[in-house]
Amino acid sequence: AQSVSQHNHHVILSEAASLELGCNYSYGGTVNLFWYVQYPGQHLQLLLKYFSGDPLVKGIKGFEAEFIKSKFSFNLRKPSVQWSDTAEYFCAVNDRSGGGADGLTFGKGTHLIIQP
Amino acid sequence: DGGITQSPKYLFRKEGQNVTLSCEQNLNHDAMYWYRQDPGQGLRLIYYSQIVNDFQKGDIAEGYSVSREKKESFPLTVTSAQKNPTAFYLCASSGGLKSYNEQFFGPGTRLTVL
Repeated sequence: AQSVSQHNHHVILSEAASLELGCNYSYGGTVNLFWYVQYPGQHLQLLLKYFSGDPLVKGIKGFEAEFIKSKFSFNLRKPSVQWSDTAEYFCAVNDRSGGGADGLTFGKGTHLIIQP
Repeated sequence: DGGITQSPKYLFRKEGQNVTLSCEQNLNHDAMYWYRQDPGQGLRLIYYSQIVNDFQKGDIAEGYSVSREKKESFPLTVTSAQKNPTAFYLCASSGGLKSYNEQFFGPGTRLTVL
């Protein structure tokens, strides 16, 4: 069974600081990788995704993530955070051999608080 | 306006009662999913359906049941056999097999057992 580990459950940063949220998964096969964000009171929405190709993917709102296959990692980064980035962030993975329609395995989430 | 709707937003039930959560999508997606979200636990997969009239158990299916009679609808029943049903329930949909698309999520239903 797959599992996803997010290293930090709570992160507090000041505005303009750089952000990196760690994500590691345990699965030896080919995977699809996602980062979702849940802003307070809003739907869970996709930040970015990786299926194949360039391991550095760019998402919405200035976020990016790098897939490092040898480390089973998909860390999320943003060079300069804003107060509006305060949210819960989830890393997720599914098995590409399932055709991409299997359910996602999520990490436990990282609660990010940006202080003005 | 395409999207996923879940109803009700808040639901209260007494112990021992079954309750059904609604999920409807007008995105013409083949695949639909139910997740449960608990504080500090992330989201866990309950059931999913890749096509109409077919569904598979997820990681925590015990105490839950689903049906997929129509492409746009995937209701979840929380039965009295579910030992700890109080949680936030999220429905999602995606393009389905070979689409490799992301999953789109609904607003959720918060179930509280009294």
